Amino acid sequence: NAGVTQTPKFQVLKTGQSMTLQCAQDMNHNSMYWYRQDPGMGLRLIYYSASEGTTDKGEVPNGYNVSRLNKREFSLRLESAAPSQTSVYFCASSGRDGWNTEAFFGQGTRLTVV
Amino acid sequence: GDSVTQMEGPVTLSEEAFLTINCTYTATGYPSLFWYVQYPGEGLQLLLKATKADDKGSNKGFEATYRKETTSFHLEKGSVQVSDSAVYFCALSKAAGNKLTFGGGTRVLVKP
Repeated sequence: NAGVTQTPKFQVLKTGQSMTLQCAQDMNHNSMYWYRQDPGMGLRLIYYSASEGTTDKGEVPNGYNVSRLNKREFSLRLESAAPSQTSVYFCASSGRDGWNTEAFFGQGTRLTVV
Repeated sequence: GDSVTQMEGPVTLSEEAFLTINCTYTATGYPSLFWYVQYPGEGLQLLLKATKADDKGSNKGFEATYRKETTSFHLEKGSVQVSDSAVYFCALSKAAGNKLTFGGGTRVLVKP
């Protein structure tokens, strides 16, 4: 009953370092998403993938890259971390392309860039 | 662009009190509306949704009605419990691909 699994749960990076956040879902969903959560701003979409092999930018894509490795996995990469990327990152998935379906979220990755 | 505005918290209540969290939206067309809840240390989970005007979503004693004339989707619960302490997010989805636009979140603290 895993749902959406993110790793790691916590990470501290130095400015300029790189890292990849991993996300996997076991619900056979087509669509996957990366959001960032900042105080008072809710969640903002970084990138999403409507299906395996496709990715598109969301509201705040600068400084990030993504890979939809297969139907299950969707990773987010920070090539050169900046303090402005300190945030909590959530991966999510949903089952259909319509706009009224439930999104399932992972537990989040708390990233601090110093 | 689309946006969602919800009341800032924190909202502090006593157990069995009435809870209301205001949410208004700006969007063209006919969005679907959602309330998600985030319990401490966890990801978001869907609380309820409504997909067209005048629809009422309900779950776990919470209710919200899609009001197109006032572009609102206020969340209510008649008698809160300590276990309802969480952050509540109002959100809309309009485009294919189910991309969500979130409000800023409202932290609710229920005291015994």
